[in-house]
Amino acid sequence: GQSLEQPSEVTAVEGAIVQINCTYQTSGFYGLSWYQQHDGGAPTFLSYNALDGLEETGRFSSFLSRSDSYGYLLLQELQMKDSASYFCAAKAAGNKLTFGGGTRVLVKP
Amino acid sequence: KAGVTQTPRYLIKTRGQQVTLSCSPISGHRSVSWYQQTPGQGLQFLFEYFSETQRNKGNFPGRFSGRQFSNSRSEMNVSTLELGDSALYLCASSTDRGPGNTIYFGEGSWLTVV
Repeated sequence: GQSLEQPSEVTAVEGAIVQINCTYQTSGFYGLSWYQQHDGGAPTFLSYNALDGLEETGRFSSFLSRSDSYGYLLLQELQMKDSASYFCAAKAAGNKLTFGGGTRVLVKP
Repeated sequence: KAGVTQTPRYLIKTRGQQVTLSCSPISGHRSVSWYQQTPGQGLQFLFEYFSETQRNKGNFPGRFSGRQFSNSRSEMNVSTLELGDSALYLCASSTDRGPGNTIYFGEGSWLTVV
């Protein structure tokens, strides 16, 4: 089977940096995706790491280490609109995504 | 470029009924997957279709079924609805099944079973 572990909640102030860790146990692993989901909304794609290393997209960066079965999402210069749930998801063959439980990020003024 | 479109957005059904949800993928995307999201179980994979063939199936009972048409549009059906089927049903599309492609989600269909 597959499982992904991530913290349930993180709180930070505007302008801060938040790192959301994700450890996974999975077979047939292709890569690690990150999605953002606001309350009542759909998951929005943030980033995807198929190879080891850091991927940067604006204020968000994602990292993957296949040897450690570990990845993280880095949110920089936090803004109030970043308050949402963030999910890591392992991609396997056939476009199957297995999701972690989600990390609720609360940004305070 | 239009995103993944799901209909209906909201619906209420009675226990024992059946429901059909529709999904139009992003133009050019041939892979369509379905997910169920509930507060208790999180996001769970239902099944994936590629070129009208089911390629992957999650651990859901046979009451959950789907299909894909030649234009890549997909439908999922839930028969004999149970209260526990109340959830957000999400459709996702992708270009192919390679390791590097991105998977995009639609806004979802909120199903309430009463």
